[in-house]
Amino acid sequence: SYVLTQPPSVSVAPGQTARITCGGDNIADYGVHWYQQKSGQAPVLVVYADSDRPSGIPERFSGSKSGSPATLTITRVEGGDEADYYCQVWDSSRDQGVFGGGTKLTVL
Amino acid sequence: EVQLLDSGGGLVQPGESLRLSCGASGFDFSTYAMNWVRQAPGKGLEWVSLISGGGGTTDYADSVKGRFTISRDNSKNTLYLQIDNLRADDTAVYYCAKSDRYWFDSWGQGTLVTVSA
Repeated sequence: SYVLTQPPSVSVAPGQTARITCGGDNIADYGVHWYQQKSGQAPVLVVYADSDRPSGIPERFSGSKSGSPATLTITRVEGGDEADYYCQVWDSSRDQGVFGGGTKLTVL
Repeated sequence: EVQLLDSGGGLVQPGESLRLSCGASGFDFSTYAMNWVRQAPGKGLEWVSLISGGGGTTDYADSVKGRFTISRDNSKNTLYLQIDNLRADDTAVYYCAKSDRYWFDSWGQGTLVTVSA
């Protein structure tokens, strides 16, 4: 089955830029989507189709995928951004959803 | 506003069965595929199953094939997950999630299933 690899943790000071990566074989062939999950809450979609943002998501959140890995970038990080972040693709060859292992973002 | 309300979780013994429900409102339910995603305590997200808008197509993660059955009643705007022969490693919060093409754009609040003797 397809595997997505994320770093377990990323730390950043307030006001700085956080970058969370998501790697996988031939990831250029997949649309990559990103979710934010704060402690005790349901996940929230923050980026879809590599780089599009749902309405209501701040412009500080952006996605890119030039080659590998895919990257979620959060600029001007705030304390409220502290959360777990997951990347996800749809494996059409197996008709299954796939999540990365998640990255815990800590705001110092 | 899209709203998804998960229910049906609880404490069950190994080998028992359980049916989870997800009530939907705020969108044309029958038009969208729906999913179940679970999260074991302290672990990451795991996609479990998908059902198409009309209910004619279903997909499952390898880890649940043969024990989990996804279904929907479009007349009641409700999604279901039947879980049979529950095991300890099925202990998790189960979320329903609405599909928009290949991503999940709305999520329920989750319902906790605990499998323990």
